Amino acid sequence: QSVLTQPPSVSGAPGQRVTISCTGGSSNIGAGYDVHWYQVLPGTAPKLLISGNNNRPSGVPDRFSGSKSGTSASLAISGLQAEDEADYYCQSYDKNLRGVFGGGTKVTVL
Amino acid sequence: EVQLVQSGAEVKKPGESLKISCKGSGYTFSNYWIGWVRQMPGKGLEWMGVIYPRDSDTRYSPSFQGQVTISADKSISTAYLQWSSLKASDTGIYYCARRTAAFEYWGQGTLVTVSS
Repeated sequence: QSVLTQPPSVSGAPGQRVTISCTGGSSNIGAGYDVHWYQVLPGTAPKLLISGNNNRPSGVPDRFSGSKSGTSASLAISGLQAEDEADYYCQSYDKNLRGVFGGGTKVTVL
Repeated sequence: EVQLVQSGAEVKKPGESLKISCKGSGYTFSNYWIGWVRQMPGKGLEWMGVIYPRDSDTRYSPSFQGQVTISADKSISTAYLQWSSLKASDTGIYYCARRTAAFEYWGQGTLVTVSS
């Protein structure tokens, strides 16, 4: 059972917008720690998608956006494409700066 | 170009010891935290711990404290993850990653299989 809660799966048709929630608590996201998002394509290492709640590293398409409010954060993918089919994980920190991941969300493009 | 290159796949028996490595290049290794992340078969990512190579300050997730040892040798820009007595439940892929705030650069992963 992960400290950060994500929906197991979300799906959408090509071109649609999907969002993935990441719910924490007062000791992690609610304590002000930033949320980061990673994309894991099958058989590959994780890739940083969003850092510091809403910052895209160089090379990440602007279809991906992040937000944070209170004890939760969200990742939005607009203009869904077949290549976006992957697992997505949120990550933050808990007290004593120990990192925590969400359980992961599988995005399926219908 | 920042690169993290991990050691190759390992097949071990329960009770054996193991040390896997992660060599950094393309940046000043001492100046960035290096973390380890586990992915068990068919499961999600788990934050294991991080080390700051400059002074070897190490932080472990409570789930992994006492189960593994994270170390680094800054003279050869290499971080390590080691087990003294492997269990079948240690089977998985282990990634190292360089951290500023987020894990921005990742190694390719090391598959560890523990089976009798």
